[in-house]
Amino acid sequence: NAGVTQTPKFRVLKTGQSMTLLCAQDMNHEYMYWYRQDPGMGLRLIHYSVGEGTTAKGEVPDGYNVSRLKKQNFLLGLESAAPSQTSVYFCASSYRAEGEQYFGPGTRLTVT
Amino acid sequence: GENVEQHPSTLSVQEGDSAVIKCTYSDSASNYFPWYKQELGKRPQLIIDIRSNVGEKKDQRIAVTLNKTAKHFSLHITETQPEDSAVYFCAARPQNFGNEKLTFGTGTRLTIIP
Repeated sequence: NAGVTQTPKFRVLKTGQSMTLLCAQDMNHEYMYWYRQDPGMGLRLIHYSVGEGTTAKGEVPDGYNVSRLKKQNFLLGLESAAPSQTSVYFCASSYRAEGEQYFGPGTRLTVT
Repeated sequence: GENVEQHPSTLSVQEGDSAVIKCTYSDSASNYFPWYKQELGKRPQLIIDIRSNVGEKKDQRIAVTLNKTAKHFSLHITETQPEDSAVYFCAARPQNFGNEKLTFGTGTRLTIIP
């Protein structure tokens, strides 16, 4: 049981490049989340999904897109990376709305 | 939407002493308040949570208290140990609309001084 995994662990992008972060969970969870973590700002919700085929905006969605084509996977896309998107990105999942959120190991992204 | 404020942002205590971290929330409809611990370079992990129908919950050396009237809740760690050094995040979740989302505080970096 791997829990929540994220790919890649580290990435450096140039301004304007695009990339996709993959989150996978093997716990049959319905709910999945993408957060970004910046110093002094805690964990801020980017987008989330309440089930396969659904997505919704969180607190800071601008510049990001997401897809949940399969229940176990939640993808976060950056179409045109900007230095302001330099951050650590965490994926999380939970079985139900009121359940514990389990976090992935994080992806450290640097945009130069 | 919900707004969660957390204080202090940094806290240093001598090993063996107690540490207290406080959070306030804005949405009176929030009814679930978890605390996450994040060790350096690791992922956040749930350490304790409380629901609005109780005022206090304990788990060994950690406890959480909730004051719904004042809309604040606190994490208490007693007999602190070096392994308690980490960043701690509080969070709040509304009871109904938007109850699939957590709003996190900005975190407290706790350092235990040997």
